[in-house]
Amino acid sequence: QVQLQESGPGLVKPSETLSLTCTVSGGSISSYYWSWIRQPAGKGLEWIGRIYTSGSTNYNPSLKSRVTMSVDTSKNQFSLKLSSVTAADTAVYYCARAGRYCSSTSCYTLYAFDIWGQGTMVTVSS
Amino acid sequence: EIVLTQSPGTLSLSPGERATLSCRASQSVSSSYLAWYQQKPGQAPRLLIYGASSRATGIPDRFSGSGSGTDFTLTISRLEPEDFAVYYCQQYGSSPPGYTFGQGTKLEIK
Repeated sequence: QVQLQESGPGLVKPSETLSLTCTVSGGSISSYYWSWIRQPAGKGLEWIGRIYTSGSTNYNPSLKSRVTMSVDTSKNQFSLKLSSVTAADTAVYYCARAGRYCSSTSCYTLYAFDIWGQGTMVTVSS
Repeated sequence: EIVLTQSPGTLSLSPGERATLSCRASQSVSSSYLAWYQQKPGQAPRLLIYGASSRATGIPDRFSGSGSGTDFTLTISRLEPEDFAVYYCQQYGSSPPGYTFGQGTKLEIK
């Protein structure tokens, strides 16, 4: 079955750029929307943005000026860059897949996240 | 941006009881775009319900979702010990495209 694994530095200095990669295993990255979601300790979930395998992106308006996502279909990976980080960006970062339903004739995005990575803790501190 | 408000913040119940969790949206949400998740400490969220009322793969039938417009409900018919966790609702909006989550309801053992 499909599994997601986040990777990247666990510690980032203030004002620098946070970079994470999500590797998709057990299935193809193609024809799905892939998202990044974060969760500060003891708090709720915040959607950061999504990328389609064509490279088309949508970002949370509150983070849009600092977020860049990319996809590498040859490696079955997609990535997140968040610039000018502060302590407020300290969180567990998850990658997740928006599920898809296929009938005999068409496929539809479910607009819900059916597969998640285990999450990676990123701390912003000098 | 559509804001989701979940209630109650904390729900204290005993195993075997029925749990009713509420999610209210600041504007009407298409039922196709409303989902529920369960999260246990140290774990990623798990999809329970999508499309407001469809159970995800492998989810027991004691979990059910209902509602439309601005009011949605997750019901757990008979609580099992493993059901005590935090529950989040989530919606997708198309203009601009994006997702928002409710603040969560903690379901704790009474």
